[in-house]
Amino acid sequence: DVKVTQSSRYLVKRTGEKVFLECVQDMDHENMFWYRQDPGLGLRLIYFSYDVKMKEKGDIPEGYSVSREKKERFSLILESASTNQTSMYLCASRIQGQPQHFGDGTRLSIL
Amino acid sequence: AQTVTQSQPEMSVQEAETVTLSCTYDTSESDYYLFWYKQPPSRQMILVIRQEAYKQQNATENRFSVNFQKAAKSFSLKISDSQLGDAAMYFCAYRRIFGNEKLTFGTGTRLTIIP
Repeated sequence: DVKVTQSSRYLVKRTGEKVFLECVQDMDHENMFWYRQDPGLGLRLIYFSYDVKMKEKGDIPEGYSVSREKKERFSLILESASTNQTSMYLCASRIQGQPQHFGDGTRLSIL
Repeated sequence: AQTVTQSQPEMSVQEAETVTLSCTYDTSESDYYLFWYKQPPSRQMILVIRQEAYKQQNATENRFSVNFQKAAKSFSLKISDSQLGDAAMYFCAYRRIFGNEKLTFGTGTRLTIIP
């Protein structure tokens, strides 16, 4: 069974901090994704990666960056956290032709 | 750009009854995938059912089935014999077949099961 693991279930940070959210998948998937989930807005794509060191912007990339140095790991970086980045963050991965598999989410609070 | 609309923020159904969740979408593509995902309180998104647009037959997975109306761009989910474990947020999602791999999600429907 596919396992997508997000490093933290809950995270509290302060405004201006640099925040790292980590995601690891164990099935050698090429594609990995970071979504943000907010009530009434559904899930919105922040960034995705289709291979090591490759990345593409999603619908709401502003204020975020990503890193994919190894195939199994996809990191989301908040360069300078702000209160409007308080949200649920979901990581997903997939292999070509198959549906996305999701992690359990990180609920991030920026104070 | 593709959009997905779920017009029912909340729905409730009596246990063992049938409920239908609505989803409409907008696209200029002729081939694509449509999905229903379930998100229980545990937060993990679980794939419920998938439909390929080029298939006329509606997808079915046990108690879950879809009514896919391509011309109307409608993709509803029917849950038969509702169970307490079906309580969750349900998201409709769209993906192109070629090119960009991203999913476009609707805003979700919270389903409550009444014992």
